[in-house]
Amino acid sequence: GQQLNQSPQSMFIQEGEDVSMNCTSSSIFNTWLWYKQDPGEGPVLLIALYKAGELTSNGRLTAQFGITRKDSFLNISASIPSDVGIYFCAGQPGGSQGNLIFGKGTKLSVKP
Amino acid sequence: DAMVIQNPRYQVTQFGKPVTLSCSQTLNHNVMYWYQQKSSQAPKLLFHYYDKDFNNEADTPDNFQSRRPNTSFCFLDIRSPGLGDAAMYLCATSRDMGPGNIQYFGAGTRLSVL
Repeated sequence: GQQLNQSPQSMFIQEGEDVSMNCTSSSIFNTWLWYKQDPGEGPVLLIALYKAGELTSNGRLTAQFGITRKDSFLNISASIPSDVGIYFCAGQPGGSQGNLIFGKGTKLSVKP
Repeated sequence: DAMVIQNPRYQVTQFGKPVTLSCSQTLNHNVMYWYQQKSSQAPKLLFHYYDKDFNNEADTPDNFQSRRPNTSFCFLDIRSPGLGDAAMYLCATSRDMGPGNIQYFGAGTRLSVL
């Protein structure tokens, strides 16, 4: 089946540093979503991307829908301790009913 | 206020004892999903309802069933839980199917099987 390759798998950074993570696929996606999941909680939507090339910001977060429609990245600027968690990309493949394909997640740790 | 509500947040059951997890939504969305998430893994779709139409994923075990008595509520029934069914169970909703329809998740129910 279709897969998303999300990297890096984990990151350990210092507070104040910028963070970048990305997802790639071998096939085209119509929609890219970025979620954050805190321990013991459900995923919370951060950013939704609908068009190739779209660049969207949400506070310190910025995400882009790749021109080829096969990739997306998420940047976090000036990280703070509450950014800790697991970040998942999720995409809706072209021609699909809308079921999401999830990446394996990026676990972010921030040292104060 | 929470829009996708899961109860209970934590559930402990015994091996083989049936258990039901509950999800309700205030969004009036057409679609409700159930996911299983094991530690350090991505959520795995079990099934979804589009209105009253049930759609099972091909690899979802028969041990897992679901009911949607009305638009607002959806239940996950595990008929005979095994130790391997211990996981976080996530409910999600979306307005519709197809591109651009965002899924909103509940806080999850952590299931332990003793």
